Amino acid sequence: DSGVTQTPKHLITATGQRVTLRCSPRSGDLSVYWYQQSLDQGLQFLIHYYNGEERAKGNILERFSAQQFPDLHSELNLSSLELGDSALYFCASSVDPRNEQFFGPGTRLTVL
Amino acid sequence: AQKITQTQPGMFVQEKEAVTLDCTYDTSDQSYGLFWYKQPSSGEMIFLIYQGSYDEQNATEGRYSLNFQKARKSANLVISASQLGDSAMYFCAMRTGGGNKLTFGTGTQLKVEL
Repeated sequence: DSGVTQTPKHLITATGQRVTLRCSPRSGDLSVYWYQQSLDQGLQFLIHYYNGEERAKGNILERFSAQQFPDLHSELNLSSLELGDSALYFCASSVDPRNEQFFGPGTRLTVL
Repeated sequence: AQKITQTQPGMFVQEKEAVTLDCTYDTSDQSYGLFWYKQPSSGEMIFLIYQGSYDEQNATEGRYSLNFQKARKSANLVISASQLGDSAMYFCAMRTGGGNKLTFGTGTQLKVEL
């Protein structure tokens, strides 16, 4: 158990819908990262927050947004969902951006 | 741009033998970190080992060691005394400069056989 929690574990929804994925980092970790893992794209970095502030954006679609709250938990919002958004979404945290990242168990999103 | 290359899509090894998983990287940064993660069939990503670009000694963590050859830009993972529970996908990843993200390779599927 990495200490990073993600909810829900599984999510099945329809095209055009909106969902919110939640992540709680390890105690003491200020950095939260979101990654998407799909069969065709592999593991892709989406976005990084440090202590509530956005630090870097990767291959994140405009339909996706995220935020980190004062208690350091983070949410990833996915809207106008398409079939291609089906993937495993990971949250990771680290105490410092230079340190190893510890991953949560992931949220498996299926868009039908 | 940063890139990680894992050229072995799949590997087989017999139980109790050692296995080396290859990883080469490309970056123009002087400061970077290299990581290996294990992803079992259950899906979670498990951190295994880390090597910093300025570390002079190869990293070791239990049965895992990282064979770091800076001039060749390689960071191979060596698993000694393989166990059935080592069967999983293994990903090499790199953090560069500002440390805002990890860039992952495509992974190597390792199967440990009796």
